[in-house]
Amino acid sequence: EPEVTQTPSHQVTQMGQEVILRCVPISNHLYFYWYRQILGQKVEFLVSFYNNEISEKSEIFDDQFSVERPDGSNFTLKIRSTKLEDSAMYFCASKTTGGTAEAFFGQGTRLTVV
Amino acid sequence: QKEVEQDPGPLSVPEGAIVSLNCTYSNSAFQYFMWYRQYSRKGPELLMYTYSSGNKEDGRFTAQVDKSSKYISLFIRDSQPSDSATYLCAIGRDNFNKFYFGSGTKLNVKP
Repeated sequence: EPEVTQTPSHQVTQMGQEVILRCVPISNHLYFYWYRQILGQKVEFLVSFYNNEISEKSEIFDDQFSVERPDGSNFTLKIRSTKLEDSAMYFCASKTTGGTAEAFFGQGTRLTVV
Repeated sequence: QKEVEQDPGPLSVPEGAIVSLNCTYSNSAFQYFMWYRQYSRKGPELLMYTYSSGNKEDGRFTAQVDKSSKYISLFIRDSQPSDSATYLCAIGRDNFNKFYFGSGTKLNVKP
């Protein structure tokens, strides 16, 4: 069964460092998302991406964050200068056409900022 | 006012029980409703998706949407220990941008 794949599963980084979280969405999907979940809290929307551009972003997604689909298969989230409060599980999700809302999530990358 | 509210539980039931999980939402503009299951430190797994009102059934799972009350439900029949997980509701205004997630209800099905 097709699935969304995320790497790495766990990333530890020092505060102020840049990190790139990687995702391979399901191959025929057209809409891509990043969500995050701080331990014990709700899953929160970060950004949606369609047709090679951001279609919506939350207030969390400030200038420190960027997304890219560099090669038609990968979808990345970059955090330029990590803060302690960026520690969370980051989930990538993808969806097929506009006719359905069924979004499929990856297993997540646990980011720990020390 | 929060977009979606969900009782965090925990909810503990014996094996074979019927489980009812619920969310309420604030804005009648929401039209897309999903239920996800999440095991500890794993990604949300899509269980059910419903557009607008009505019921949808898939095996032991039934999703209901009552737009007049702004209330969504997930019923699990003949619950199994393997159903023990956190169940998340998610709602959206449109079908391509952000979804709002509930805080999740932790379910424990005892053998």
